[in-house]
This record gives sequence, C-alpha cells and structure tokens, in this order.
Amino acid sequence: AQKITQTQPGMFVQEKEAVTLDCTYDTSDQSYGLFWYKQPSSGEMIFLIYQGSYDEQNATEGRYSLNFQKARKSANLVISASQLGDSAMYFCAMSQYGGSQGNLIFGKGTKLSVKP
Amino acid sequence: KAGVTQTPRYLIKTRGQQVTLSCSPISGHRSVSWYQQTPGQGLQFLFEYFSETQRNKGNFPGRFSGRQFSNSRSEMNVSTLELGDSALYLCASSPETDLNEQYFGPGTRLTVT
Repeated sequence: AQKITQTQPGMFVQEKEAVTLDCTYDTSDQSYGLFWYKQPSSGEMIFLIYQGSYDEQNATEGRYSLNFQKARKSANLVISASQLGDSAMYFCAMSQYGGSQGNLIFGKGTKLSVKP
Repeated sequence: KAGVTQTPRYLIKTRGQQVTLSCSPISGHRSVSWYQQTPGQGLQFLFEYFSETQRNKGNFPGRFSGRQFSNSRSEMNVSTLELGDSALYLCASSPETDLNEQYFGPGTRLTVT
C-alpha cells in the first residue's frame, strides 16, 4: 500500500534562512506524482510544487524546490529565504498514474514556524 | 479566474442528523475530489467525481456519499451523523488536461454535537 511519512511534527526556522522539510514515501508503482501543499491556519490547502516519478530534474517553483531522491524514496521540500508568511502546516502527498489521480495520499504534516 | 468555492464554510449539526456540503470547482475543471481532515486521522480521501461519475472511492462507510452535476458542481452527503464526523471537509478540482495539480477550496468545518 502507498504511504507517505513526514517525521518532523514541528520545525522552527529563522527568517531569511533556508529550511528542509522531510518526506519519504512507499509505493510499488513505477509511475506516481509527489506534491507539497501548504495549509495556513485558515484551512485552505495551497499547492506548492509537483514532481513526477519520471522527471529527472528536481522541480522548482520560486523559493520552493523539491529534492527528489528516487532510490531513497524521498521528496524533501526546501524553502529558501524563509518569510514570516511561510508559517503553516506543510503536507507531502502522492498520487498514482494509470488511473484516477483524484486520490492523493497525504502525510501527517509538518508545522513550520518562522521566527523573526 | 475564481477559485474553488465551498458552502457552507461552517456547520453545526446534531448526532443522527444528515448534512449536505457543496463544492463548485474552478471553471472548466471536470474532476472534483473530496477529503476529510481530522486531527487524529489527518487528510483522508473520500471520493472523486469526473463527468458526473464516481471514479474513485476511499475507505469510508456508506453513510458518506456524493454526486456531481452536469456543470461539475459536486455535493457530498453524510447521513446519520456521528461525533467522529466532526472534521474539515476539503474539496479539490483538477483540469481535465492536467491531473497533476489539484486546487483546493477553503473547506467546510463540520461540528457534530
């Protein structure tokens, strides 16, 4: 069965520093997608970044980059130059190709707090 | 382009009642998925609809049901509410041509007393 593991329940980072949020996954599928979402206290899930299992380059979106290590089954999120507005819950998620992609599997999340 | 909208945003119901939640996807999106988020279980997939057909279903009891209309708007229904159904219910939509991205609505926070 597919599974996402986020081992850091909470993290602190100083404003303007970089931070890495860990995510490991387990799947027997060859084709899958990996996502990171941000959830502020308001509750809305904000899409940050996506990595396909066949993508050779690590995905980047502005200050967000995904450190994809397929052999280790890890998909860590790196946030550069942290801002106070980055304080939120961060969820790693996975989907599988070859069928419906509507069923994302989420990790338990990491609560990031950015200190001024 | 307007985002995913969910109504109502907050709801308080009594055990045993039923509830209907509504989700309007982004214009042009035909896939709508529903998730339940609780502190204990985290985010769990409920079901997905595409072109008015349920395409995938999570591991939830039959009390949870949904449907999608021809305009892609979706509703989910929970009958015989239990205290454990208190949760944030999130709806997400995806464009037909790019199923990689799911755009979430603000959610409906359901409290069962």
